[in-house]
Amino acid sequence: SYVLTQPPSVSVAPGKTARITCGGNNIGSKSVHWYQQKPGQAPVLVIYYDSDRPSGIPERFSGSNSGNTATLTISRVEAGDEADYYCQVWDSSSDLRVFGGGTKLTVL
Amino acid sequence: EVQLVESGGGLVQPGGSLRLSCAASGFTFSSYWMSWVRQAPGKGLEWVANIKQDGSEKYYVDSVKGRFTISRDNAKNSLYLQMNSLRAEDTAVYYCARDRTRGGNSDYFDYWGQGTLVTVSS
Repeated sequence: SYVLTQPPSVSVAPGKTARITCGGNNIGSKSVHWYQQKPGQAPVLVIYYDSDRPSGIPERFSGSNSGNTATLTISRVEAGDEADYYCQVWDSSSDLRVFGGGTKLTVL
Repeated sequence: EVQLVESGGGLVQPGGSLRLSCAASGFTFSSYWMSWVRQAPGKGLEWVANIKQDGSEKYYVDSVKGRFTISRDNAKNSLYLQMNSLRAEDTAVYYCARDRTRGGNSDYFDYWGQGTLVTVSS
């Protein structure tokens, strides 16, 4: 089955830019979606179809996808952005929805 | 406002059964694919199953095939997950989620419930 690989953790200082990667075989040919999950809370969609942003999500959140890597970029990071972030795709070959292992974003 | 409220979780012995429910409101339930997604304690997210708007298509992750059954009642705006032959590795918070797609089966999940905890232990 299709595997998505994320770094376990990313650290960034407030006001800087955080980049969280999601690796997969030819992931650029798939649509990638990203979720934010804070402790004790349900996941929240922050990016869909690689780079679209749901209403209510700040413009500081953006996404890109090419080749074997998709990236979630958070600009001007704030303390409130500290959370786990998961990428997700639909694997058409298996008809499964697949999540990455998650990345813990720490704001220093 | 879209709301998804899960219920039915609890402590069950290995080999036992449990039925989860998800009450939906704030949108036309019968127009959307719906999914169950779970998260074991301290672990990541795992999609479990989804069901088409009219219940005619259902898909499952391999680890639950033959043991779990997803269903829905559009008249009651409700989604269900019947879980049989439960194992310790099924211990998780189970989330109900609304699927979105450009066409066909689901691509992503735009709304999630708060989850219900299922603990499988003797």
